[in-house]
Amino acid sequence: LAKTTQPISMDSYEGQEVNITCSHNNIATNDYITWYQQFPSQGPRFIIQGYKTKVTNEVASLFIPADRKSSTLSLPRVSLSDTAVYYCLVGARRAGGSYIPTFGRGTSLIVHP
Amino acid sequence: ETGVTQTPRHLVMGMTNKKSLKCEQHLGHNAMYWYKQSAKKPLELMFVYNFKEQTENNSVPSRFSPECPNSSHLFLHLHTLQPEDSALYLCASSQDRPGAGVPETQYFGPGTRLLVL
Repeated sequence: LAKTTQPISMDSYEGQEVNITCSHNNIATNDYITWYQQFPSQGPRFIIQGYKTKVTNEVASLFIPADRKSSTLSLPRVSLSDTAVYYCLVGARRAGGSYIPTFGRGTSLIVHP
Repeated sequence: ETGVTQTPRHLVMGMTNKKSLKCEQHLGHNAMYWYKQSAKKPLELMFVYNFKEQTENNSVPSRFSPECPNSSHLFLHLHTLQPEDSALYLCASSQDRPGAGVPETQYFGPGTRLLVL
């Protein structure tokens, strides 16, 4: 399984753009990159997923360079409600088996007024 | 609201008690999961059920016993737990598809906060 490395914590202020980078040097050819968000005392929630280049949805953007050894989750104009833990996952669905996600420690983002 | 519900939301039990956690998903998914999240530790996958069959058991102690009577319901039976088992227990579901490819999105419930005294 490809291992991911993220900053343990980040601080930001309301209205700023936040970029959280995840390193995954051993990513396999078939692996996808998925980000989840977790608020205190809740389960994680899917944010965005990509394989290469750039993916954007109504919540965030995901930038993946050509070598795919890292990825950056970009949250535009954060608000206090974006304070959460953000997890970067790398993996793929296996033939003949289930997808088994592996969550690391994530990045604890605190947004200040 | 993710379509996955868990009861109870909070549970306090003694080491000699027997209790059960319940999870129900209203999404029509065919795979369900139990995770354990301890303070300051990553989520730990405990069990995976695919089409009601257990496909993964991540070396979980036998004092945790899962049950999946159908694809919508998942239980975690607890007995003779230890204080270090205190944690947030999360249930998740996904729609598993055959063959290799894009990972399925997991939908998590709100969790059961368990305290073992």
